[in-house]
Amino acid sequence: NAGVTQTPKFRILKIGQSMTLQCAQDMNHNYMYWYRQDPGMGLKLIYYSVGAGITDKGEVPNGYNVSRSTTEDFPLRLELAAPSQTSVYFCASSYSAGHNINEQFFGPGTRLTVL
Amino acid sequence: GQNIDQPTEMTATEGAIVQINCTYQTSGFNGLFWYQQHAGEAPTFLSYNVLDGLEEKGRFSSFLSRSKGYSYLLLKELQMKDSASYLCAVTDSNYQLIWGAGTKLIIKP
Repeated sequence: NAGVTQTPKFRILKIGQSMTLQCAQDMNHNYMYWYRQDPGMGLKLIYYSVGAGITDKGEVPNGYNVSRSTTEDFPLRLELAAPSQTSVYFCASSYSAGHNINEQFFGPGTRLTVL
Repeated sequence: GQNIDQPTEMTATEGAIVQINCTYQTSGFNGLFWYQQHAGEAPTFLSYNVLDGLEEKGRFSSFLSRSKGYSYLLLKELQMKDSASYLCAVTDSNYQLIWGAGTKLIIKP
């Protein structure tokens, strides 16, 4: 099993450009999450999904969009990149949020710089 | 509001014991996690507590007191590879994880 995979690993964008961060998991997990982590800070939830076709906003959704057409894939879209979106982005998945132990498994992260 | 507090940074000596504290105020409680994050890497799961008491897993132990909104992670026989950030996270009433900013642990020889 590859677990949670993310592409690309690094990216530099110009202000106003758009891009899609890819995330895939092969553990048949229902729940998937997108976080951003700024230096010295905790993880902030951007969007999450409880299953294919269902997505919901997290704590910091502005400037981002997501879709979940399959159980495996959960791409994150940035439409008009801004310097404030410079961060490390982590995708994660879990079997179920309501389970006894809803351990989240993380991808390796995408380091995004907006100049 | 929801809040999780951890010390920003701690220093300890190789072979020693260190305790990392976490206090939380959240809307509801459905469990507390500790994750380890090495610099430049993704967080990885260490422990989970949902009932009061101590959970032991090798050199690592985690304690929870729900009435006090308090947890600690205890690391014994410290090794250089334990140098990392340790993240405390609480599952709230909506089963969302609320994350602390993390404690950077520096191990000195």
